[in-house]
Amino acid sequence: QITLKESGPTLVKPTQTLTLTCNFSGFSLSPSGEAVGWIRQPPGKALEWLALIYWDDDQRYNPSLRSRLIITKDTTKDQVVLTMTNMDPMDTGTYYCAHASQLLRYAFDIWGQGTLVTVSS
Amino acid sequence: QSVLTQPPSVSAAPGQKVTISCSGSSFNIGLNYVSWYQHLPGTAPKLLIYDNDKRPSGIPDRFSGSTSGASATLGITGLQTGDEADYYCGTWDSSLSAGVFGGGTKLTVL
Repeated sequence: QITLKESGPTLVKPTQTLTLTCNFSGFSLSPSGEAVGWIRQPPGKALEWLALIYWDDDQRYNPSLRSRLIITKDTTKDQVVLTMTNMDPMDTGTYYCAHASQLLRYAFDIWGQGTLVTVSS
Repeated sequence: QSVLTQPPSVSAAPGQKVTISCSGSSFNIGLNYVSWYQHLPGTAPKLLIYDNDKRPSGIPDRFSGSTSGASATLGITGLQTGDEADYYCGTWDSSLSAGVFGGGTKLTVL
């Protein structure tokens, strides 16, 4: 059974850097075909695709946020980490990590519960 | 402004059928696989459809997906009050080299 869980600060100040960790189980990012992505949802707004990392360490980013994002993986810890710099109140929202695989054409089939991040001074 | 365009809301009576459209371009829907998600407030989104028209195990056949050119459609038959949720389409955009979601559609079951 695949599970994912996000963790990180619930409150960050403007201009600070946000670091979110996705701990997962039930799969590994070592074999081919697996990936983990990050998606967020500001309050009252739509889902926004942020970043994706593949088993082979290929990384893809939302072009509008590319300069602020870094996604990395640690296969020994079964973790994926998202770093977002220069946080702004507009970045407030619920951040999700999700599993994707080649088998399902990289649709996000299993999601974490999400973590609410508030950006405020 | 989302890359994929969905109607903000749709509604129908219990037992009826509803369709939700998702309009894109030749760089995304016209070229890549579409997925659909159901999102209830306070919960994680749930995958309903992948690969344009396939259902993951456990998703009832009341939910269906289709594509035509640069557009995709989610169909839901036999509407239930429990289907009230936000629905999102998603796909890959080859020009952006990134994933994209639609703006979401709120389904109301009257």
